[in-house]
Amino acid sequence: GAVVSQHPSWVICKSGTSVKIECRSLDFQATTMFWYRQFPKQSLMLMATSNEGSKATYEQGVEKDKFLINHASLTLSTLTVTSAHPEDSSFYICSARWDRTYGYTFGSGTRLTVV
Amino acid sequence: AQSVTQLGSHVSVSEGALVLLRCNYSSSVPPYLFWYVQYPNQGLQLLLKYTTGATLVKGINGFEAEFKKSETSFHLTKPSAHMSDAAEYFCAVSVGGTSYGKLTFGQGTILTVHP
Repeated sequence: GAVVSQHPSWVICKSGTSVKIECRSLDFQATTMFWYRQFPKQSLMLMATSNEGSKATYEQGVEKDKFLINHASLTLSTLTVTSAHPEDSSFYICSARWDRTYGYTFGSGTRLTVV
Repeated sequence: AQSVTQLGSHVSVSEGALVLLRCNYSSSVPPYLFWYVQYPNQGLQLLLKYTTGATLVKGINGFEAEFKKSETSFHLTKPSAHMSDAAEYFCAVSVGGTSYGKLTFGQGTILTVHP
C-alpha cells in the first residue's frame, strides 16, 4: 500500500518549452504532496508543498511562475516546468504523506534534461 | 529551523562488516527522524523512522537506528553489510508547527560495499 506513481520517469525537451510531471497516489488520498529537486550528487531540496484545492506553498528562492504546481484532486498533483532552460535540468521527486505518523512515500522521480 | 548533518559523504565497508552511517540533527522542538535509501535514478525508500516511544528503531533489511537526544544523533547501523546495501542513504528530520510535514534532508552518504 501507499504507492505514489510519478510520470514520466525521464524527459528530454527543448529549451523554451514546458514540461508537465505527474504524481499520483494510487491507493490512498493525499491531501498534501511535496515536490523536491535533486541535483547530481546532492541532497533533495524541497521546492513546494502542494495542497489539494488550494495554492501551493513555495520555498524561498523557488520561482512560482516557473514551477507551476496544481493539486486538483486528492490523488493527483502536477508540476509544470515552464519555459525550461538547461539550468532546470535535474531530478524531480514528489512525495506524499500517507498516514498521521509521518509515513511518507516517494515517487520514483523524473529525470529532466533540457537541451 | 531544523537541519541535518551527515558525517561522511562516502563510506566504504567490506561485505559482512558493520555498517555505521552517522547523522546529527538540529531542532528546537522534538524531531521526527528518518532514514531513506536511494538507488540510482530512483525515488527514496523508507528504511526506518523515529517519532515517539522506543529510541532504538528497527527497520527493513536489517537496519536499525538509535535516537540519542543528549547527542542529537540518529546513527544508522547494520551488523553485516551485503552487496545489495550499496546505495545512497539520506537522513531526514521533520518537525511540527509551521514546518509541519516538511522533510529536511542531510547531504547523503554513499555506501560502497566491496567483496
